[in-house]
Amino acid sequence: AQKITQTQPGMFVQEKEAVTLDCTYDTSDPSYGLFWYKQPSSGEMIFLIYQGSYDQQNATEGRYSLNFQKARKSANLVISASQLGDSAMYFCAMREGRVQAGTALIFGKGTTLSVSS
Amino acid sequence: DSGVTQTPKHLITATGQRVTLRCSPRSGDLSVYWYQQSLDQGLQFLIQYYNGEERAKGNILERFSAQQFPDLHSELNLSSLELGDSALYFCASSVEAVAYEQYFGPGTRLTVT
Repeated sequence: AQKITQTQPGMFVQEKEAVTLDCTYDTSDPSYGLFWYKQPSSGEMIFLIYQGSYDQQNATEGRYSLNFQKARKSANLVISASQLGDSAMYFCAMREGRVQAGTALIFGKGTTLSVSS
Repeated sequence: DSGVTQTPKHLITATGQRVTLRCSPRSGDLSVYWYQQSLDQGLQFLIQYYNGEERAKGNILERFSAQQFPDLHSELNLSSLELGDSALYFCASSVEAVAYEQYFGPGTRLTVT
């Protein structure tokens, strides 16, 4: 079974609109972390936002927020006021286990976001 | 710029050959991770080193090996290359205390012909 599922291969949004990218995860570990990364066409992986399993509030970083619904095991990324520069591939990822040096990330297949003017 | 450097940026080689990819982590980061991104497999964790020692192993082939040196830079060695090894290889690093955040390098694009 997949640990991270991103069901939207592609999403389209107009500038200044908000968009939600879906991510569901599967783990039996009570301690885990969820991440979103952006990969533009240039190829680099850019860290966007992190949510720990014990965090009480949803994480926010500027225009990015993470809609964390623990019971549903979902960690959707919300981008407010989309910009043309947001066009990229977005990956959801999970780290299982307690925070410690050296824990690998498990990535979803990604969602391609296209922002039009 | 994440502070993680990888060289070379692009590499084109023939089947059966051996290549070495190099990664320098962010200043102060002790942990280095290698990931492979291919069209069919997506992003997969290969191997991780912490302060010179192997810490975790993922889907790394026996033809691949890695090491982390005393100055904390890391090298990923790929041998007996096959067409299917063509991929983007990322290095990421993290500090010990804040390991939840991994910073990725720009990647090395390997093309095997």
